[in-house]
Amino acid sequence: EADIYQTPRYLVIGTGKKITLECSQTMGHDKMYWYQQDPGMELHLIHYSYGVNSTEKGDLSSESTVSRIRTEHFPLTLESARPSHTSQYLCASSPSPGELFFGEGSRLTVL
Amino acid sequence: KQEVTQIPAALSVPEGENLVLNCSFTDSAIYNLQWFRQDPGKGLTSLLLIQSSQREQTSGRLNASLDKSSGRSTLYIAASQPGDSATYLCALNYGGSQGNLIFGKGTKLSVKP
Repeated sequence: EADIYQTPRYLVIGTGKKITLECSQTMGHDKMYWYQQDPGMELHLIHYSYGVNSTEKGDLSSESTVSRIRTEHFPLTLESARPSHTSQYLCASSPSPGELFFGEGSRLTVL
Repeated sequence: KQEVTQIPAALSVPEGENLVLNCSFTDSAIYNLQWFRQDPGKGLTSLLLIQSSQREQTSGRLNASLDKSSGRSTLYIAASQPGDSATYLCALNYGGSQGNLIFGKGTKLSVKP
């Protein structure tokens, strides 16, 4: 059973607001990932981290930023949200290469 | 560039049928392959992980196979149940130790009672 949690699960905000999506895992995994998924489409990697103070951009360009100050937390921030940021954001952590455990996701709607 | 294709995009079957979901990829240089299940509005649940050196993995009514030479993986579901209704995604680890995955768009399965 994977212990990875995302908050909020749903968020509706206005354009221009700053938002932070939280992701926490209690499994002690060094590797963590953020994926973006539009309805009916495949997941795209937007950020990943190999451990504390390590962050990398993924395959899909994103205006969001991430930080990894603690092993268990990997928050994602949008400084100024726009309607084009409306999507589902999925966080995952990994104990071994290619084996991922996902959170429930955060569904963001920007009006 | 690695591409992952899942066919069919949607599938509807009566309860009790055995079924096969397909995943194809263009580059056989993969590290491993993972099948996931996604329920509407939810995250992904890992079903089976196949290492590149393996040919199949089994868990309960699920069996996943991997044929790297032909660029194919299949997920076999035996005796399907309405609770199996979900979207099934395959994902390839092409990044080796980096563990970065590339996903297919998924097959949406509906099992009718």
